[in-house]
Amino acid sequence: GAVVSQHPSWVICKSGTSVKIECRSLDFQATTMFWYRQFPKQSLMLMATSNEGSKATYEQGVEKDKFLINHASLTLSTLTVTSAHPEDSSFYICSARGSGDSQPQHFGDGTRLSIL
Amino acid sequence: GQNIDQPTEMTATEGAIVQINCTYQTSGFNGLFWYQQHAGEAPTFLSYNVLDGLEEKGRFSSFLSRSKGYSYLLLKELQMKDSASYLCAVLDSNYQLIWGAGTKLIIKP
Repeated sequence: GAVVSQHPSWVICKSGTSVKIECRSLDFQATTMFWYRQFPKQSLMLMATSNEGSKATYEQGVEKDKFLINHASLTLSTLTVTSAHPEDSSFYICSARGSGDSQPQHFGDGTRLSIL
Repeated sequence: GQNIDQPTEMTATEGAIVQINCTYQTSGFNGLFWYQQHAGEAPTFLSYNVLDGLEEKGRFSSFLSRSKGYSYLLLKELQMKDSASYLCAVLDSNYQLIWGAGTKLIIKP
């Protein structure tokens, strides 16, 4: 149980392109979803937290107009990187948590984004 | 501030036992998680401790002492596939998950 699907796995695109990443909880209802970014050999960095039906809460230093998050249902959240630039190249990982703040987060497989 | 400390890297031998320590100073405590992350992959959930003591799950066990702000992950009968980073994370009083930087475990034959 507790499977989270994230698509796409890899994205390579030109600078200025907008990229949408989907995160789905397949066998449970995700009250809360999280978006992380991880640079090589560094720890996970939380970008934002989203609760179904409400606006996402962004961490300090994360531009909400650049990283658009939509959590329209209990099983789907999307992250759109708008007008991506090479410095946005990173490993983006979503996680989902069921009801209950002490529930573990279950992670998608991640999306490797490369902006040329 | 909030802080989680774990060793950067450890090396162990196939078939042996290794203990990965984690100490934390956080504003409140609502539980501690251990995750495994293989290189280039997303983390996978291993264990959750909220009460003092040892939780055993197959070859992996996790221990917690809240009074000492201390946890460890014990891996027995090490296999080559156990080579990965092990992340310690604490839920603070606001139920925010504070992540450690991870311990890279290298298993040698």
